[in-house]
Amino acid sequence: RKEVEQDPGPFNVPEGATVAFNCTYSNSASQSFFWYRQDCRKEPKLLMSVYSSGNEDGRFTAQLNRASQYISLLIRDSKLSDSATYLCVVNGGTSYGKLTFGQGTILTVHP
Amino acid sequence: DTGVSQNPRHKITKRGQNVTFRCDPISEHNRLYWYRQTLGQGPEFLTYFQNEAQLEKSRLLSDRFSAERPKGSFSTLEIQRTEQGDSAMYLCASSLAGTSGGLSYEQYFGPGTRLTVT
Repeated sequence: RKEVEQDPGPFNVPEGATVAFNCTYSNSASQSFFWYRQDCRKEPKLLMSVYSSGNEDGRFTAQLNRASQYISLLIRDSKLSDSATYLCVVNGGTSYGKLTFGQGTILTVHP
Repeated sequence: DTGVSQNPRHKITKRGQNVTFRCDPISEHNRLYWYRQTLGQGPEFLTYFQNEAQLEKSRLLSDRFSAERPKGSFSTLEIQRTEQGDSAMYLCASSLAGTSGGLSYEQYFGPGTRLTVT
């Protein structure tokens, strides 16, 4: 079983749609959680950290359920510029430094 | 630009040659990380440093790979006797260490070095 598993995707949605990505992690001792965004042939960029209480940044909302070891990202009112690969990322557990990435989910927003 | 920088951005080499990549972290960051990413996959952890100390190495880091951070600032990643399977994007990231040297704060990535082994 992979340490971090994401929806396989790809997701292809029209502008203005709401889209949700899900992710599960296997190490119950994991302590920090993130969503990164990666554009084609570019480096991953931090989108947001994920907290147990849930957090929101504009059109983006992230949720964490520690009991179920489940992380989600909701994007409202999708823009063409949201097209990218979204990476679910986990830190901690057996390592303070290592980030463990999911495979990524490709999102394409079309006009 | 005060972000993470990496050089070279692209490297094409023949199988069996040695290559070295450089990473310059964000100046106030004391932790520096190396990852490798192949097409269609998320980045995979290779190793990380806190200041000049190498704190962790992945089992992915074979004995052909070596990383250094001699003065706690920039880092180099060397691959000896390259193989075609080494072709990948090599990403460097940096962060601050957490309180009491624990969990890292958010990691910020450089643009990567794309290695092609022919």
